[in-house]
Formats: sequence, C-alpha cells, structure tokens
Amino acid sequence: AQSVTQLDSQVPVFEEAPVELRCNYSSSVSVYLFWYVQYPNQGLQLLLKYLSGSTLVKGINGFEAEFNKSQTSFHLRKPSVHISDTAEYFCAVILTSGTYKYIFGTGTRLKVLA
Amino acid sequence: ETGVTQSPTHLIKTRGQQVTLRCSSQSGHNTVSWYQQALGQGPQFIFQYYREEENGRGNFPPRFSGLQFPNYSSELNVNALELDDSALYLCASSLELTGELFFGEGSRLTVL
Repeated sequence: AQSVTQLDSQVPVFEEAPVELRCNYSSSVSVYLFWYVQYPNQGLQLLLKYLSGSTLVKGINGFEAEFNKSQTSFHLRKPSVHISDTAEYFCAVILTSGTYKYIFGTGTRLKVLA
Repeated sequence: ETGVTQSPTHLIKTRGQQVTLRCSSQSGHNTVSWYQQALGQGPQFIFQYYREEENGRGNFPPRFSGLQFPNYSSELNVNALELDDSALYLCASSLELTGELFFGEGSRLTVL
C-alpha cells in the first residue's frame, strides 16, 4: 500500500542549530515529492518539490531536501534554524498511475528554542 | 492575484444532515483538490478535479462528492454527516496536475 511516513511527530531544536526532518514513502508507481509548511493559524504553503532531475532540491527560507530513490526517502534539512521556522511540516507525494492521488504524512512539529 | 478562498469558514451541523462547502480557485488554475484534516493529523486527500472531471480519489465513501464548474470553482458535498466528519476541510488549486498546491484557509466543520 502507498504511504508516507514522517518518523518524528515533534522535533525541538535550538536556534541556529541544524535540523533534519525525516520522510519515507512507499509506492509501487512513480511519485512526485513535496514538502509543505503550515505556520500557526495559517494555511499550508509549498517549501520545495522534486519532480525529476537533480536529487538535491532547494526551497524557500534556506530549506533543502534530497531524494533518495533506493531508500525511498525525501528528508528535509536546514543548516541553521530560526525562531520563525517554528511550524508544522508535511511531506507529501503525488502518485501518478493514470489518475492522481495525493498522500500527506502526519506532519512533524518543529519547535525552535531560543 | 486572488488566492484560494473557501466558504463558509466555520459551520455546525447535526448528524445525518448534508453540507456543501465552496472553493474559488486561484486565477488561471484549472485543477482543484479537496482534503480533510482532522486535529493533529495531516491532510487526507478526498478527490481532485481537472477541467471539470474527477481524475483522482482518496479512500472516502461515495457520500463525499464534488463538482468543478466551468470557471474552475468547486464544491464539496457531504451527505449523511457522521460525527467523525468533524474536521478542517481544505481546498487547493494548482496550475497543472503535478504543480504546486495553493491552499485556502479551510472550512471547519463540526458535526454534533
């Protein structure tokens, strides 16, 4: 069955420290991969996406992610976080096999501490 | 450029009733998808419409139905409401089938 797993429900990290939010997916068909962020009391917005090409993808606000097909992972990283990065982060895939189906992970709450 | 707008923002219904939620896509977007987000969970894909035709559906029963209109706005209809239908319902539009999703603020449905 197709699924997206975000292994950490909460990640506390101190300001200016690096962070990695993990995402693994399971699919027997082609996928496109995304990370979305939801700031408190706001809607979801796109951080970055992987459709094809280079496996290292750079997004907004200094975030990047690497697609690893053999490990079916798409981990999100930032070398130095800010207080303003505190938010809920969702990994998502689009399954493409004639029709389109979106699957979101359960989310990782990143809390940046001063 | 007008973003994705949803209405109503909040509503309360009782079990067994029917509800219609509305969504106006971002200008120029021909694809719209709907999601159910329960508290503390990720969005669950309900279905997607592309140029007025459904072209993808998640694991939701037939009492969840939708429409996309020629101006690409959309409706989500839920019949025979159940308590577990209480959630935030999100609409998202995109310029193409695999493009960036632009989300609305959502409609929060409470079923009593």
